Amino acid sequence: EDQVTQSPEALRLQEGESSSLNCSYTVSGLRGLFWYRQDPGKGPEFLFTLYSAGEEKEKERLKATLTKKESFLHITAPKPEDSATYLCAVQFSGTYKYIFGTGTRLKVLA
Amino acid sequence: NAGVTQTPKFQVLKTGQSMTLQCAQDMNHNSMYWYRQDPGMGLRLIYYSASEGTTDKGEVPNGYNVSRLNKREFSLRLESAAPSQTSVYFCASSESRLTNEKLFFGSGTQLSVL
Repeated sequence: EDQVTQSPEALRLQEGESSSLNCSYTVSGLRGLFWYRQDPGKGPEFLFTLYSAGEEKEKERLKATLTKKESFLHITAPKPEDSATYLCAVQFSGTYKYIFGTGTRLKVLA
Repeated sequence: NAGVTQTPKFQVLKTGQSMTLQCAQDMNHNSMYWYRQDPGMGLRLIYYSASEGTTDKGEVPNGYNVSRLNKREFSLRLESAAPSQTSVYFCASSESRLTNEKLFFGSGTQLSVL
């Protein structure tokens, strides 16, 4: 069964304390893996798309990486404004559908 | 540039009542989607429209109907609301379903069915 699992469910960091969020997937024929950020009361906002194992993308303090089984979202020296829920979604070959993980709630304390 | 606009933002219904959630995008996107988001379950696809005049069922279509009124607008209708439909509903759009397209989301509708 195609599945996307995110861990941890919640993460509290001190400002400046780097960490990583995990998104593991079991799909056949990955077409793309997407990372979104969701703030309370708002819709998800696109961050990155990764297409193949070994690919990396960066944006400010965020860096996303992809292997054949999982993706990591690395947060370097986070700030309180990085607090949000981070969602991972996978699109697999032969379908338009996206499978979303349940997200990681990140809280960065000043 | 508004992006994806959803109305209403909040709604409370009684069991058995009907309502329509409205969604419009101004990015000239071909594909539009309706998702629901429940705690611990992630975003689940209700219905999808690849282009004007076409709609397809997603993962959880029961109890819902949709209309792709034109290229800009995609509405979701609850004919007889049930408490199990209490959720946050998101409309999204993408340029096309044929490539790895990122989704643009609206700000959501928080629906409570009593």
